[in-house]
Amino acid sequence: ELKVEQNPLFLSMQEGKNYTIYCNYSTTSDRLYWYRQDPGKSLESLFVLLSNGAVKQEGRLMASLDTKARLSTLHITAAVHDLSATYFCAVGPDNFGNEKLTFGTGTRLTIIP
Amino acid sequence: GAVVSQHPSWVICKSGTSVKIECRSLDFQATTMFWYRQFPKQSLMLMATSNEGSKATYEQGVEKDKFLINHASLTLSTLTVTSAHPEDSSFYICSASTSDNTDTQYFGPGTRLTVL
Repeated sequence: ELKVEQNPLFLSMQEGKNYTIYCNYSTTSDRLYWYRQDPGKSLESLFVLLSNGAVKQEGRLMASLDTKARLSTLHITAAVHDLSATYFCAVGPDNFGNEKLTFGTGTRLTIIP
Repeated sequence: GAVVSQHPSWVICKSGTSVKIECRSLDFQATTMFWYRQFPKQSLMLMATSNEGSKATYEQGVEKDKFLINHASLTLSTLTVTSAHPEDSSFYICSASTSDNTDTQYFGPGTRLTVL
């Protein structure tokens, strides 16, 4: 069974600081996704990482993937209040090739002015 | 592009009634749609995978007779919660995947169900 763990679960940081969220998964997988969720809202797609060593950046967020270590990171640079949200990583497909995603526990990020 | 809508946005119903939630892909065709539920402050849990023209594949522990899924066309899937009870109260989110090589899932805005 594929398991996906995120660390930390909760994160409070000041504006302007940098931090990294980690996503570990238990078995080999082809794709790693990062999503953002605002309170009471659905998920917004941030990044899709398709291969070992993949790095993608959008604004103050940068995601990377190390398939050998089964680890993805989401790095936040010079955080601003607007980045406050819950961030989920998700892995797919599963071991049987099904498209379904397995989600991490989520990281609730609060940026303090 | 890749917009997914859900209807209704929220619904409050009495215990024992049935509730239907619609999920539509507005600007693309989706052969596969997914239904998730999310309890407060928790992650998303996949309930079932919905394939156009065939029966849905349910995850372990999800009652197929209680959560009826119909995927009648390439742009519409419906989830019917039958004989709803308070423990079915949750945030239900659908997603649809594009047919490109990333298989990115695009999520609907969610439906908040409250069963009294």
